[in-house]
Amino acid sequence: GAVVSQHPSWVICKSGTSVKIECRSLDFQATTMFWYRQFPKQSLMLMATSNEGSKATYEQGVEKDKFLINHASLTLSTLTVTSAHPEDSSFYICSARGGLAGNTGELFFGEGSRLTVL
Amino acid sequence: QKEVEQNSGPLSVPEGAIASLNCTYSDRVSQSFFWYRQYSGKSPELIMSIYSNGDKEDGRFTAQLNKASQYVSLLIRDSQPSDSATYLCAGPMNTGFQKLVFGTGTRLLVSP
Repeated sequence: GAVVSQHPSWVICKSGTSVKIECRSLDFQATTMFWYRQFPKQSLMLMATSNEGSKATYEQGVEKDKFLINHASLTLSTLTVTSAHPEDSSFYICSARGGLAGNTGELFFGEGSRLTVL
Repeated sequence: QKEVEQNSGPLSVPEGAIASLNCTYSDRVSQSFFWYRQYSGKSPELIMSIYSNGDKEDGRFTAQLNKASQYVSLLIRDSQPSDSATYLCAGPMNTGFQKLVFGTGTRLLVSP
């Protein structure tokens, strides 16, 4: 399947700092990427849809000023958690549809980034 | 009703048995579905996709879709301890093919 890579895989930061997570499609171009968040023992919750060259579309209840998304190229989307607080500690996962799978709906996921805010 | 619903489990089966995982969906979900496997602390991995009514087989896995009953299942034959994971069912929202919604996942435990 298509390869999606995330970095960093884990990060620990102090409360009030900002953290940037990168998501790259390695072997295909992704005009759309998706950012999910997963708390322990819960399912994936879609945070936002990242669109290359335009503003991201956020799900209800997700603060766009806190979770900044930039999709400046066809292979890179970034999620910045601004002024992080302990309640933002979670597993953040990006995903994209691979090349030829663009019309079939299959999503391929990055490895995930585990954020711990102290 | 949630868009996609799954029993959280855990579902416990002995090694070598058939594990049956089930998922129901609402009218708000388009009728193509995906099964993902997620190991603890890892991101989901795509196992199967199914778009048409009926069965689709891939190795030890069989996905079944029943559009009339709005029901999709995943059968795992000859279950192995390495199959122990959480299995997530997902489908795209009718509002646009872009957004995929996930069930809460069913935890499968395969005992040796």
